[in-house]
Amino acid sequence: DTGVSQDPRHKITKRGQNVTFRCDPISEHNRLYWYRQTLGQGPEFLTYFQNEAQLEKSRLLSDRFSAERPKGSFSTLEIQRTEQGDSAMYLCASSLVPSGSWETQYFGPGTRLLVL
Amino acid sequence: RKEVEQDPGPFNVPEGATVAFNCTYSNSASQSFFWYRQDCRKEPKLLMSVYSSGNEDGRFTAQLNRASQYISLLIRDSKLSDSATYLCVVNSGGYQKVTFGTGTKLQVIP
Repeated sequence: DTGVSQDPRHKITKRGQNVTFRCDPISEHNRLYWYRQTLGQGPEFLTYFQNEAQLEKSRLLSDRFSAERPKGSFSTLEIQRTEQGDSAMYLCASSLVPSGSWETQYFGPGTRLLVL
Repeated sequence: RKEVEQDPGPFNVPEGATVAFNCTYSNSASQSFFWYRQDCRKEPKLLMSVYSSGNEDGRFTAQLNRASQYISLLIRDSKLSDSATYLCVVNSGGYQKVTFGTGTKLQVIP
């Protein structure tokens, strides 16, 4: 499968615990995005990377959230001291952006987080 | 005003019907536009890009109206398998990110 993959697919944790999610983008894609989606809403942008550089973070991304893409390939999203309001689907997407082209993003299957 | 707005629906239409969704955006500098489809509890998947001249892919037609700042999606001859949520996506290049609408739910009924 050469699509975007995410691990784990489901995570149940207790409030206050730390969780880490992984995303493996399509191999040649240079841009990687993280989104959060709650029921009945569209995905909300959290952050994105161009290669290994984190170029933008949303106001939604509190200090408890941190994302990395150390080698410009896979990325991790960590949530520290989880809260019940963090329960959501966390989606990763990747795209290839040469200059002057239209950008389309391909999504992974998501990690569904439930904080008890 | 939200950056991207959609009627959440649901739109309940009989098989074979034609249905259209609109999506309005607030940033006049927005550069690229897409429609994604999302099935229940699945990830969004690209349905089609939306070009200034309009584009068609089988039963699906997408249009862009820059003057009125909206995009549309027309589905002809609806199939049961078209039942899904359709997400409007707008890329405002200056923000280097895409903004999703909340989606319009379509239910095609036999």
